[in-house]
Amino acid sequence: AQKITQTQPGMFVQEKEAVTLDCTYDTSDPSYGLFWYKQPSSGEMIFLIYQGSYDQQNATEGRYSLNFQKARKSANLVISASQLGDSAMYFCAMRVLQGAQKLVFGQGTRLTINP
Amino acid sequence: DVKVTQSSRYLVKRTGEKVFLECVQDMDHENMFWYRQDPGLGLRLIYFSYDVKMKEKGDIPEGYSVSREKKERFSLILESASTNQTSMYLCASSLEGISNQPQHFGDGTRLSIL
Repeated sequence: AQKITQTQPGMFVQEKEAVTLDCTYDTSDPSYGLFWYKQPSSGEMIFLIYQGSYDQQNATEGRYSLNFQKARKSANLVISASQLGDSAMYFCAMRVLQGAQKLVFGQGTRLTINP
Repeated sequence: DVKVTQSSRYLVKRTGEKVFLECVQDMDHENMFWYRQDPGLGLRLIYFSYDVKMKEKGDIPEGYSVSREKKERFSLILESASTNQTSMYLCASSLEGISNQPQHFGDGTRLSIL
C-alpha cells in the first residue's frame, strides 16, 4: 500500500527566510509521481510542483523546489524567500502510475509566515 | 483556464436527509474524484470515476454513492446523512494517461450535518 507522511503539523517562519516542508513516502512500485499542493484559508487546492520517480533532476518552479532523495524516499518542498502569502496548508501527495491515477495525500503541514 | 465548479461552498443539512453534492468540470477530463478533508487526516478518497457511468470505490466509500451520467459532471450522494459526515468535500478532475498532470480541484463544499 502507498503512504505519505508529513511529520510537521505546523511551522512558523520569518518572512524572507527559506523553509523546508518534509514529506516521506512509501511504495513498492518503481513508477510513481509526487505532487505538492497549497491550500490557502479560502479552501482551494493549488498545484505547486511535480517530481517523477525517474526524473534525473530535482523539480523547480519559481520559488518552489523539490529536494528529491529517492533512496531515502523523501520529497521535501523548499520555498525560497518566503512571503506572507505563503501562509497556508501544504499537502504532499503520491500517484502510483499503474492504475487509475489516484492520489494518496499526507496529513498536511500548516505554514505560517511571520512579518 | 481549467475550471472545476462545486455547486455549494457551504451547506447545512439534517441527520437522515439525502444530500447531493454536485461537481462540474469544463476541461473534458476523463477522471473525476471525490475527497473528504478532515483536520489531521489530510484528504481521503471517497469515490472516483474514469469514464461516464464508471465508478470505483476509494478508501472510505461507506455511506456514500456517486453518479456520473455525463462526462463533465460527477455527483456525490450521502444516502442518509449522519453527523460524522460533517466535513469539507473536494472534487477533482484529471486527464487520463498523462503521468505528470495534476488533479485540478474545485473550491470545496463545507458540509455540516446537524
